Amino acid sequence: SQQGEEDPQALSIQEGENATMNCSYKTSINNLQWYRQNSGRGLVHLILIRSNEREKHSGRLRVTLDTSKKSSSLLITASRAADTASYFCATDPPSNSGYALNFGKGTSLLVTP
Amino acid sequence: ETGVTQTPRHLVMGMTNKKSLKCEQHLGHNAMYWYKQSAKKPLELMFVYSLEERVENNSVPSRFSPECPNSSHLFLHLHTLQPEDSALYLCASSQGGQNTEAFFGQGTRLTVV
Repeated sequence: SQQGEEDPQALSIQEGENATMNCSYKTSINNLQWYRQNSGRGLVHLILIRSNEREKHSGRLRVTLDTSKKSSSLLITASRAADTASYFCATDPPSNSGYALNFGKGTSLLVTP
Repeated sequence: ETGVTQTPRHLVMGMTNKKSLKCEQHLGHNAMYWYKQSAKKPLELMFVYSLEERVENNSVPSRFSPECPNSSHLFLHLHTLQPEDSALYLCASSQGGQNTEAFFGQGTRLTVV
């Protein structure tokens, strides 16, 4: 399966700490994206990293991509209670028409005050 | 607000009912998708429409019937569903092609009784 797999499944930290989530996938990709989902709601796009990029930043988010290991990580620095959500990685393989992303099961992040 | 609107937000239906889910986007996107999200499972891609033509159908049972009358609207017609079809149904749209992000609606929480 091309689906990404996030690790850990669940993560609980305190406000101010950093949260790191990992994603592994199985075949080559065109890009990898991270999404966030608040409980029972739609997914919101956070960041896209292309296969020829190794690191990308957006505010308190830092994403890395290692295509040799077929893995990516999402780092949220100085976490806040409002960061509590599920985080998903999604891959867009080059063989794809470019339309449909493949999602993993997600990491559930709980940030306590 | 992502620009993708789904109605209704919640739906309870009996196994003999017929109902429809509606999705609307005014982002000028040319691709629209239906995903199913069940507890503890990855998002499952159901259907993809590109330029109002169905380009992907992931072995979805015929009790789910999509319709895309124009590039801004997408429907999912439901009939004779089973309790295991209870899930969050998410609509998304994108510009299509590579290296584009998906914009999701808030989802319809469907319960089949």
